Amino acid sequence: DVKVTQSSRYLVKRTGEKVFLECVQDMDHENMFWYRQDPGLGLRLIYFSYDVKMKEKGDIPEGYSVSREKKERFSLILESASTNQTSMYLCASSFTRNRVAGSTDTQYFGPGTRLTVL
Amino acid sequence: RKEVEQDPGPFNVPEGATVAFNCTYSNSASQSFFWYRQDCRKEPKLLMSVYSSGNEDGRFTAQLNRASQYISLLIRDSKLSDSATYLCVVNVKGSGSTLGRLYFGRGTQLTVWP
Repeated sequence: DVKVTQSSRYLVKRTGEKVFLECVQDMDHENMFWYRQDPGLGLRLIYFSYDVKMKEKGDIPEGYSVSREKKERFSLILESASTNQTSMYLCASSFTRNRVAGSTDTQYFGPGTRLTVL
Repeated sequence: RKEVEQDPGPFNVPEGATVAFNCTYSNSASQSFFWYRQDCRKEPKLLMSVYSSGNEDGRFTAQLNRASQYISLLIRDSKLSDSATYLCVVNVKGSGSTLGRLYFGRGTQLTVWP
């Protein structure tokens, strides 16, 4: 069974703090993703990575950065947390189904980290 | 325009009812389609993939109409345990060396009552 774990279920930080959210998957998936989910807005993609040391901006990358030094681990960094970054953060991973065709497989999600920035 | 649009819901139905959710997508480069289910305070999980020929998994039937860019999910004989948010998801093909990515609808909330 695929397992995606996130470092914390709940996190409370203060405005201006640097925040690290960690995600680890155990299925040797090439692709990893960070989303945030807010009521009424659904899931929004922040950053994703198709390989170690590679990263691509999603739809809302501002205020975030990522790091993928190892295949199994994808970190989301809030350089200077702000109250509008209070949200549920979800990590996901997937296989590459067909690199030539540009398609990826089903995404498996971690349990989420509920971040509150005060 | 959003990549994926869904019925906003919420849907409140009695046990045993049949309920249908609809979804439209805007990008003709979309190449695969899914329904995910998300329980309250949990992560999304794949419910089923959606194929052009239509596919069924027990009480759940998914349909895809590529010409109309329309996806549907039908749940028959609803159970209390079907209460959840249903997310319509589209995989859009990447360009050049970029792989595809998923676009999620905002979800439709279903509550099944006894």
